[in-house]
Amino acid sequence: EVQLMESGGGLVQPGRSLRLSCAASGFTFDDFAMHWVRQIPGKGLEWVSGISWDSGGIDYADSVKGRFTISRDNAKNSLFLQVNSLRIEDMALYYCARASGSSDAFDLWGQGTMVAVSS
Amino acid sequence: SSELTQDPAVSVALGQTLRITCQGDSLRSYYASWYQQKPGQAPILVIYGENNRPSGIPDRFSGSRSGKTASLTITGAQAEDEADYYCMSRDSSGYHQRLFGGGTKLTVL
Repeated sequence: EVQLMESGGGLVQPGRSLRLSCAASGFTFDDFAMHWVRQIPGKGLEWVSGISWDSGGIDYADSVKGRFTISRDNAKNSLFLQVNSLRIEDMALYYCARASGSSDAFDLWGQGTMVAVSS
Repeated sequence: SSELTQDPAVSVALGQTLRITCQGDSLRSYYASWYQQKPGQAPILVIYGENNRPSGIPDRFSGSRSGKTASLTITGAQAEDEADYYCMSRDSSGYHQRLFGGGTKLTVL
């Protein structure tokens, strides 16, 4: 089955760190660019970061630049997001998403992992 | 930075046709893609590119673009179409940069 499965979320204090993971299965992972998108409960979608198939190209939203780091391990079919210096406003459900090979769209999404930030 | 603007809410009678719009400067250069999200679920892609539907998306969903406005049209809305809809496009500031619209909540009456 073609799927993405996120993990690594949890409750952390402001200023602390987490490493989110996304396990891909059912498709050739290194054929695709990958992205992270987050959603505060009850609010809209916010693009966070994207990475090319070979990690040669990486972009971040201004809101996370310098604090978050995206990476991937194609040998392990895995995508990661290192989230440092967490803020209250980073509290959200974090989705990983696959970039379509033929367009700019995201054609496959995981179910998300929740990051809660509270002192 | 650029942004994409959507109407917060739209309602339609069962079986009628509706259009959800998305406006932004990035749409002059890039196609929008559209996502449907139901409560408690991850988004799913419904329209991408000029007007393409992924496998399994009903043909009542269609997309178009004119100038800096992209539109998602649902022809003959069904009760199961009630959801939040988001547009997304590339952002010229980076190859992997993306922008989401604020979302439109569709109510089917």
